[in-house]
Amino acid sequence: GQQLNQSPQSMFIQEGEDVSMNCTSSSIFNTWLWYKQDPGEGPVLLIALYKAGELTSNGRLTAQFGITRKDSFLNISASIPSDVGIYFCAPANRDDKIIFGKGTRLHILP
Amino acid sequence: DTGVSQNPRHKITKRGQNVTFRCDPISEHNRLYWYRQTLGQGPEFLTYFQNEAQLEKSRLLSDRFSAERPKGSFSTLEIQRTEQGDSAMYLCASSPGVAGPPNIQYFGAGTRLSVL
Repeated sequence: GQQLNQSPQSMFIQEGEDVSMNCTSSSIFNTWLWYKQDPGEGPVLLIALYKAGELTSNGRLTAQFGITRKDSFLNISASIPSDVGIYFCAPANRDDKIIFGKGTRLHILP
Repeated sequence: DTGVSQNPRHKITKRGQNVTFRCDPISEHNRLYWYRQTLGQGPEFLTYFQNEAQLEKSRLLSDRFSAERPKGSFSTLEIQRTEQGDSAMYLCASSPGVAGPPNIQYFGAGTRLSVL
């Protein structure tokens, strides 16, 4: 079956540091989505990627769709306290359901 | 547009009882999805509707689970004879389907179910 690996599982960083997380898959996808989930809430879409090699930014967030279509990364620059939460990669093929990774839990040390 | 709305936000029930959750999608969104999320995991797909038609069901959706979207607007998810293993967050999402960007789904805040 298809495998989706998201890493790291958790990160502990200082405020102001940059963050990088990634997902790799055993299957090819046409779409890579990145969502953030706060405690007790539903996931919120951060970035959507539709083309291999595409690099897209949303404020301090930057994500790339890997050339092989089997991976994606998300970077957060100059982290702030409200960045705390769980980040999910969620690849999909067109008109198909999205598949969620296990998430990267971001903690910011005081 | 108030986003995807789910009720109740929390439900505590005893094992063996039936529970029903409701999801109101974003207006004009013709696709509606149900997911289950357990602690430490990402959301797992359960089922989805295109208008009132239920087009796909996951193997996770046992016979005790049933979902409906009778008029193509709100949806309900019912769990019969609840088991402790059903304890989870149940998330609903909607999308405009082909009328919008591919694959993007908008999530509600979820219903957290605790089965005692």
